[in-house]
Amino acid sequence: KQEVTQIPAALSVPEGENLVLNCSFTDSAIYNLQWFRQDPGKGLTSLLLIQSSQREQTSGRLNASLDKSSGRSTLYIAASQPGDSATYLCAVPPSQGGSEKLVFGKGTKLTVNP
Amino acid sequence: GAGVSQSPRYKVAKRGQDVALRCDPISGHVSLFWYQQALGQGPEFLTYFQNEAQLDKSGLPSDRFFAERPEGSVSTLKIQRTQQEDSAVYLCASSPAESYEQYFGPGTRLTVT
Repeated sequence: KQEVTQIPAALSVPEGENLVLNCSFTDSAIYNLQWFRQDPGKGLTSLLLIQSSQREQTSGRLNASLDKSSGRSTLYIAASQPGDSATYLCAVPPSQGGSEKLVFGKGTKLTVNP
Repeated sequence: GAGVSQSPRYKVAKRGQDVALRCDPISGHVSLFWYQQALGQGPEFLTYFQNEAQLDKSGLPSDRFFAERPEGSVSTLKIQRTQQEDSAVYLCASSPAESYEQYFGPGTRLTVT
């Protein structure tokens, strides 16, 4: 059964700092990994989707990497801003092939202090 | 364009009542998913539709939970005889054909008293 772990559970940093969020998954037979952002009381916003054939994806100040063999992904946020404060979730398909549903971690709650 | 919409945004139900939660996916999206998110947890899969066909309902926690998507667009998640443990945010997501990227709605926060 696919399990996703995110560390740290919470992170507080001063504005301007670069930071890394970690995600690990138990079954490396995935075909993609997706990072989401969730603001309090809101739904999820897709940030980046990495296909299994890719090693990384970039969008603005965000860079996500994927190492399937070790079952790990990182989300790098450059020059953090108070507006980046949110919970960040990573998600992968389950162990069974051919399913489109997602298995989520519990998320990392990020606070960027001005 | 319009994103995924859900209604109501908030629902308070007394224990034992039935509730119906609605999801309007992005127009043309083939796949539709329901997830349940408890406080402080990540979303957990409930059920999945491809057009009007319910292909996976393995995540539905009990037979009190029922979902439908009769015309392949709008979907309804129904919970019968609600219990306190049903209190959670119910999220709906949709994705287009040949894409694994899921787009989420704002969710419905259900509180069972």
